[in-house]
Amino acid sequence: NAGVTQTPKFRVLKTGQSMTLLCAQDMNHEYMYWYRQDPGMGLRLIHYSVGEGTTAKGEVPDGYNVSRLKKQNFLLGLESAAPSQTSVYFCASSGGWETQYFGPGTRLLVL
Amino acid sequence: QQPVQSPQAVILREGEDAVINCSSSKALYSVHWYRQKHGEAPVFLMILLKGGEQKGHEKISASFNEKKQQSSLYLTASQLSYSGTYFCGTEVNTGTASKLTFGTGTRLQVTL
Repeated sequence: NAGVTQTPKFRVLKTGQSMTLLCAQDMNHEYMYWYRQDPGMGLRLIHYSVGEGTTAKGEVPDGYNVSRLKKQNFLLGLESAAPSQTSVYFCASSGGWETQYFGPGTRLLVL
Repeated sequence: QQPVQSPQAVILREGEDAVINCSSSKALYSVHWYRQKHGEAPVFLMILLKGGEQKGHEKISASFNEKKQQSSLYLTASQLSYSGTYFCGTEVNTGTASKLTFGTGTRLQVTL
């Protein structure tokens, strides 16, 4: 099992550009999450999903959109990137009765 | 509201012990502990559930004080491999998609 994978690993964007981050899990987990991690801030929840076709806002959802068309995939979109969105993005999944398992992260730099 | 972790950073010599604390202002259902090494993803260490007992394996253990809404992580006879940033993630109640709120982390450095 690959666990949780993220694509891409690293990306540089110019302000105003858009992009989509892909998260995939092969553990048949119902719950999936997107976090951002900034120095000194810990992990902050952007959006999450409790199952295929569902999404919900987390602590810092502004500027991001998500979709969960398939159970194994959770996409995070940035419609118009801003320098404040420079961060490391982590995806995680959970079976709901246990803890969360994290992907390797995507480093995003917005110039 | 994020749980508060203390200390923010600690430096140990190999073999010394450390305690990392996590406090919440909300009633907790569970506390999850993770360790993250530089440039890597957080790795799960252990989970403590409300009403559960103290957990641990080898030289890392943790406790959960439900009355105070506090959890402590105990690192005994630290090893170089223990270096990293430790995060607690708190869950306020069940049935909420296992949403965790993470503290800002405690940076642990173990030296020779």
